[in-house]
Amino acid sequence: QKEVEQNSGPLSVPEGAIASLNCTYSDRGSQSFFWYRQYSGKSPELIMSIYSNGDKEDGRFTAQLNKASQYVSLLIRDSQPSDSATYLCAVNPGGGNKLTFGTGTQLKVEL
Amino acid sequence: NAGVTQTPKFQVLKTGQSMTLQCAQDMNHNSMYWYRQDPGMGLRLIYYSASEGTTDKGEVPNGYNVSRLNKREFSLRLESAAPSQTSVYFCASSPTANTEAFFGQGTRLTVV
Repeated sequence: QKEVEQNSGPLSVPEGAIASLNCTYSDRGSQSFFWYRQYSGKSPELIMSIYSNGDKEDGRFTAQLNKASQYVSLLIRDSQPSDSATYLCAVNPGGGNKLTFGTGTQLKVEL
Repeated sequence: NAGVTQTPKFQVLKTGQSMTLQCAQDMNHNSMYWYRQDPGMGLRLIYYSASEGTTDKGEVPNGYNVSRLNKREFSLRLESAAPSQTSVYFCASSPTANTEAFFGQGTRLTVV
């Protein structure tokens, strides 16, 4: 079982819709969770970090963490074509010293 | 604000050649990382340094060595490059080991 799993997509949503991206992780001791956005040919860019159960909102983005079910999700409201990118989930397994990434979900926002 | 700076941005090597990828951060971060990214494989951790003076292997360390020269700089060395090391390499840093990481612009390496 991979430490961090994401559906590779592509996930296609119409402009203005809500995009929902999901990530599951295997280590129950994980303490820190992050979402990154990566445009083609560019480096990953941090969008959200979440450390405790529940929701965390920042503008059009909401991160949701459920440690009991071992998943973290990212909601993007009012999706725009500029949101089209690959979204990477990252987890700090066991609260240790490294950050492990999923393979990413490609999001396409269509006009 | 420079953030994380990697050099070079592009490099072509012949099989068996050696090279060092340089990374420097100006955010006073304690932890630094080297990842490689290949199509369909996501970001895979090569080596990391939780703090100055320490380095540890990640998921794919074979064929690589690292040096944490000081708090700012973390270099990655390929002693004898192989075509399997063709990839995009990213350096990242974070304030501490379990906080958010910030990435450099990447080095696109091709080994022929």
